[in-house]
Amino acid sequence: SQQGEEDPQALSIQEGENATMNCSYKTSINNLQWYRQNSGRGLVHLILIRSNEREKHSGRLRVTLDTSKKSSSLLITASRAADTASYFCATAGGTSYGKLTFGQGTILTVHP
Amino acid sequence: GAGVSQSPSNKVTEKGKDVELRCDPISGHTALYWYRQSLGQGLEFLIYFQGNSAPDKSGLPSDRFSAERTGGSVSTLTIQRTQQEDSAVYLCASSPPTSSLRETQYFGPGTRLLVL
Repeated sequence: SQQGEEDPQALSIQEGENATMNCSYKTSINNLQWYRQNSGRGLVHLILIRSNEREKHSGRLRVTLDTSKKSSSLLITASRAADTASYFCATAGGTSYGKLTFGQGTILTVHP
Repeated sequence: GAGVSQSPSNKVTEKGKDVELRCDPISGHTALYWYRQSLGQGLEFLIYFQGNSAPDKSGLPSDRFSAERTGGSVSTLTIQRTQQEDSAVYLCASSPPTSSLRETQYFGPGTRLLVL
């Protein structure tokens, strides 16, 4: 079963707009990660935020984490057509760093 | 450097046959993971190898699934007596030994399995 719930399931925007995706989870975590997937194939790691962090930036990406609400958001600023992909949050909890639990994902479409 | 590679890219098999999926992790990575992605279940953890420790097999869906990692490098996921519900993309990932980096997983392109 999937721990993470993501919303929206699909998001369609124009180039230059910002895209915000949300993720909620159920159990305590060590960290939360965001991955991107193109064409249903391999996932690419985007950013990791630890449970004691509240916000993190990487280029055009901004991730927030609210452990009291068990939720995270991924913001992509100034989106580009090349950002079109599926985005997944994944949580790692307890002592098993290896076991990532993924959300259902958000399909982002950026129109040129 | 080279990323995680998986073979075959695509596999079509008949129900009841056995299949073997291969994963070559990034050189030097000590941790190796298998996941599967299907329409109905999303991305699911299957098994995790870390160095010489006993693997975490808690995600394997049935005893028809097994995996091994030889020499701390290449891994093979074997599905015996395949069923149609085994159809999915099987993803392999690896991560380096440095503790702060161990949490980031580097994924291969996946093997798309179709059981007819």
